Amino acid sequence: AQSVTQPDIHITVSEGASLELRCNYSYGATPYLFWYVQSPGQGLQLLLKYFSGDTLVQGIKGFEAEFKRSQSSFNLRKPSVHWSDAAEYFCAVVPSSRLTGGGNKLTFGTGTQLKVEL
Amino acid sequence: GAVVSQHPSRVICKSGTSVKIECRSLDFQATTMFWYRQFPKQSLMLMATSNEGSKATYEQGVEKDKFLINHASLTLSTLTVTSAHPEDSSFYICSATRAGGLGYTFGSGTRLTVV
Repeated sequence: AQSVTQPDIHITVSEGASLELRCNYSYGATPYLFWYVQSPGQGLQLLLKYFSGDTLVQGIKGFEAEFKRSQSSFNLRKPSVHWSDAAEYFCAVVPSSRLTGGGNKLTFGTGTQLKVEL
Repeated sequence: GAVVSQHPSRVICKSGTSVKIECRSLDFQATTMFWYRQFPKQSLMLMATSNEGSKATYEQGVEKDKFLINHASLTLSTLTVTSAHPEDSSFYICSATRAGGLGYTFGSGTRLTVV
């Protein structure tokens, strides 16, 4: 079955430490891939996205993600976390078959709650 | 950049009443809008997809008679929760995109509490 998985429900890191949030997908063809961030009681903000090309994608707020086809992964990274990065992070996908009837609906992973210790 | 305005941000209503939530694209034509529901500490679940001028397409398990969606213009979609009950209490978020687009702009969400 098609799915997007975020294995880590909660992650706690110290401010200044590096961060990696995992995302794995299970689709027949590589889907379009997104990372969003959500602060409590707020909507979602796009951090970055991958459609094709360079597998290392740079986003806003110092985030980057690397697409690895062999691992069906699109992990989010940040070299040095700031206290303001504490939030919920969602990986999301749109099947690349959308033009043939899949529609352009985003499917979200279960999310990873990031806590930053000062 | 693209902006989507969602109102109200919070609403409390009595059980049995109806509540309307608006989602407006302020600076682009939103051919397609999506409505999501999010329970506390959970992911976003797509409820329905609406295309301007067409009937909404509901996801499996979503009651179309309870969650009425109207997308009458390229800048406005509304979600009406009819005969609300406490179990309808949730966080509702809209998202808008251009035709066939992959640029999704989200509203700031509506916290609905049914008492």
